[in-house]
Amino acid sequence: NAGVTQTPKFQVLKTGQSMTLQCAQDMNHNSMYWYRQDPGMGLRLIYYSASEGTTDKGEVPNGYNVSRLNKREFSLRLESAAPSQTSVYFCASGGPGGYQPQHFGDGTRLSIL
Amino acid sequence: SQQGEEDPQALSIQEGENATMNCSYKTSINNLQWYRQNSGRGLVHLILIRSNEREKHSGRLRVTLDTSKKSSSLLITASRAADTASYFCATDAGNMLTFGGGTRLMVKP
Repeated sequence: NAGVTQTPKFQVLKTGQSMTLQCAQDMNHNSMYWYRQDPGMGLRLIYYSASEGTTDKGEVPNGYNVSRLNKREFSLRLESAAPSQTSVYFCASGGPGGYQPQHFGDGTRLSIL
Repeated sequence: SQQGEEDPQALSIQEGENATMNCSYKTSINNLQWYRQNSGRGLVHLILIRSNEREKHSGRLRVTLDTSKKSSSLLITASRAADTASYFCATDAGNMLTFGGGTRLMVKP
């Protein structure tokens, strides 16, 4: 039982490049989330998907797009990477609604030069 | 802006001592959750307390919630070196969680 799987684990990009972060969960959760965590700080919500086919903006959506491909998969895309997007990105599933906790992947460490 | 704010930001104790972390928040909530993050890893859920509950226990963890003061505390009793991690509170006010900045706990053997 893998839980939440994120790929890649590490990535270095140049300013202006694009990339997609992948996330998959095997817990049959309806809700999935993308967060970013900057050094010494808590998590900030980028986008979330309450169910297959729906996505909504979180606290810091600018510069990102998401796709809920199916119930299992939720991807995050940076169209034109900027140094300010250097961060650790976490995907999570489960959560609000039914008083259930969220389950997190181990993160993607992204550096943009 | 973050809904929850943890206090202290960092805490260093000896093995066997108790560790107390506090969380304050700003708006009404459905529930409040505590998570742990080991270095280089994702967050792991520890405990959830509903807005109509005042105290909850799980093993060596004790969580309290005071909705009138919009605050919560996490107590870890008889700490171990393996408890060294960052601890985050998260508030659920609807369809998403909002996390605080965390408390970095170091337990010295």
